[in-house]
Amino acid sequence: GNSVTQMEGPVTLSEEAFLTINCTYTATGYPSLFWYVQYPGEGLQLLLKATKADDKGSNKGFEATYRKETTSFHLEKGSVQVSDSAVYFCALTSASGGSYIPTFGRGTSLIVHP
Amino acid sequence: EAGVAQSPRYKIIEKRQSVAFWCNPISGHATLYWYQQILGQGPKLLIQFQNNGVVDDSQLPKDRFSAERLKGVDSTLKIQPAKLEDSAVYLCASSSDRDRGLHEQYFGPGTRLTVT
Repeated sequence: GNSVTQMEGPVTLSEEAFLTINCTYTATGYPSLFWYVQYPGEGLQLLLKATKADDKGSNKGFEATYRKETTSFHLEKGSVQVSDSAVYFCALTSASGGSYIPTFGRGTSLIVHP
Repeated sequence: EAGVAQSPRYKIIEKRQSVAFWCNPISGHATLYWYQQILGQGPKLLIQFQNNGVVDDSQLPKDRFSAERLKGVDSTLKIQPAKLEDSAVYLCASSSDRDRGLHEQYFGPGTRLTVT
């Protein structure tokens, strides 16, 4: 079956540091890839997405590139802020019998200190 | 545009009791999902509906969990009887079929269930 593997957290950084959260996946066919973010006390919300190989998703200074050769979709940000502290989930949707089934990673907690 | 609504937000029950959660998706969204999120883990898909038909329920513990989506709009998830290990946040999400191949999901705030 499909699976998503994320790096273990928490990731602790100082403000303005560079962020990378690794994500690799296993899926049949050509999945769409997503990063969702969950701020403290809130529901999950879409951060960025990519639908085909070499696509780069970007939003709020975050970026991730769909790498089919390495089955990866690593999240990066050049300069993190305290307000970026949240849990980040890598996810995919993959076609199965005419429908699209989602799979989530277990999440990576990011803590940014002033 | 109104978001995904869920109720209740919090529920505390004793083991062996029953509980039901309600979800109202974004208007016009054909696909509805229920997830279980245990503390420290990612969302686990329990059941996925497209309109009022079930697309996937392979991870739904059918001996105690049930879900329905009458008229293809809102949905209820029921647990009967509850076990201690059912303590989790239950998330509802919806997506539009108009962006086939993408299925970006919109999540509700979740229901935090505590079983004592």
